[in-house]
Amino acid sequence: SQKIEQNSEALNIQEGKTATLTCNYTNYSPAYLQWYRQDPGRGPVFLLLIRENEKEKRKERLKVTFDTTLKQSLFHITASQPADSATYLCALGNNDMRFGAGTRLTVKP
Amino acid sequence: EAQVTQNPRYLITVTGKKLTVTCSQNMNHEYMSWYRQDPGLGLRQIYYSMNVEVTDKGDVPEGYKVSRKEKRNFPLILESPSPNQTSLYFCASSYGADNQPQHFGDGTRLSIL
Repeated sequence: SQKIEQNSEALNIQEGKTATLTCNYTNYSPAYLQWYRQDPGRGPVFLLLIRENEKEKRKERLKVTFDTTLKQSLFHITASQPADSATYLCALGNNDMRFGAGTRLTVKP
Repeated sequence: EAQVTQNPRYLITVTGKKLTVTCSQNMNHEYMSWYRQDPGLGLRQIYYSMNVEVTDKGDVPEGYKVSRKEKRNFPLILESPSPNQTSLYFCASSYGADNQPQHFGDGTRLSIL
């Protein structure tokens, strides 16, 4: 069966460091992969999309990689700040969307 | 302001009492979708709609109904709610299903007693 795993439920890092979150998937061939941020009590907010033929995408302090051979995406936040503390979700899709359970990131001052 | 609006935001009700959660978007999006979010399980898709009068089952459609009579509205109907449908529900919309970021509402917390 199809599976999406974000292999850390929670990640704690120090302000200024780079946070790296992982999304692995099995039995799936997504055309694209997206990353969302979710704050408590709010709906997810779209951050980045990367297509299967792209290796890397950047947006300000965010970087996403997509390795279809390893079936893995890495999400990096450089120079992390306490305001980056949130849950981050990866999502894979074709016509339907499947989400990972999320990784709760805490950036400590 | 571009937004997805869900109502109600919170609801406590009893087993078997039919309820409807409304969802409306003002972005002229073709694709709309409903998810439920449970601790440890993440977001799971209930139903989605590619356009008016076109709906399809997601991963967990049992116990739910949807309709898409107008482009902007996509209500979620629980004909006979049960306690295992207690959850946080999100509606989302996008321009299309393929390669498009989804815009989410702020969620509806349902408690079925």
